[in-house]
Amino acid sequence: DGGITQSPKYLFRKEGQNVTLSCEQNLNHDAMYWYRQDPGQGLRLIYYSQIVNDFQKGDIAEGYSVSREKKESFPLTVTSAQKNPTAFYLCASSTDRVQETQYFGPGTRLLVL
Amino acid sequence: AQTVTQSQPEMSVQEAETVTLSCTYDTSESDYYLFWYKQPPSRQMILVIRQEAYKQQNATENRFSVNFQKAAKSFSLKISDSQLGDAAMYFCAYRRGSYSGTYKYIFGTGTRLKVLA
Repeated sequence: DGGITQSPKYLFRKEGQNVTLSCEQNLNHDAMYWYRQDPGQGLRLIYYSQIVNDFQKGDIAEGYSVSREKKESFPLTVTSAQKNPTAFYLCASSTDRVQETQYFGPGTRLLVL
Repeated sequence: AQTVTQSQPEMSVQEAETVTLSCTYDTSESDYYLFWYKQPPSRQMILVIRQEAYKQQNATENRFSVNFQKAAKSFSLKISDSQLGDAAMYFCAYRRGSYSGTYKYIFGTGTRLKVLA
């Protein structure tokens, strides 16, 4: 079945450590997105990519980095510069047709030890 | 910059009754798209309904319908015959039109819907 997968489901980060969240899609979508979800704040855009080898900062990109080397994959690295990384992270994708909606993965819960 | 506001952090509805969730947005553009997403306890985001701004007719999907008031910049979601499975967080979202060249979506802060048996 086509869809978006995120791994791991839960991730623990130690102080000063970089961690990478995986996002893979087999929907043949051009655009991919990373959101952070905190209680009472809805979804906030971290980074998005409209095409391979290109990506743009969202509203809260500081402390995060991404790459888009393949159409199917859009990994997110939470660096040690992100001082408050504990949150639920959602990956999404969409086609390049403007009327198309976003499809979401199941999410990754990141906790700081 | 565009903004999306959901002023009801939490709502409750009796099973089989009707409830309306509010959403307002701010934009200077005429071409855009609006969405309602549902996030159940599993936290999987699911599209509920979509509205194109150029369409005057309100979108409907089974028990879900919207009241789209373009001049008032209002986009409310009506859930009829509420079921226990409707209990979830509901997010309103905005996306600019095709001319913008961007696929960026803007989400509201969400409304938690409780369905009472």
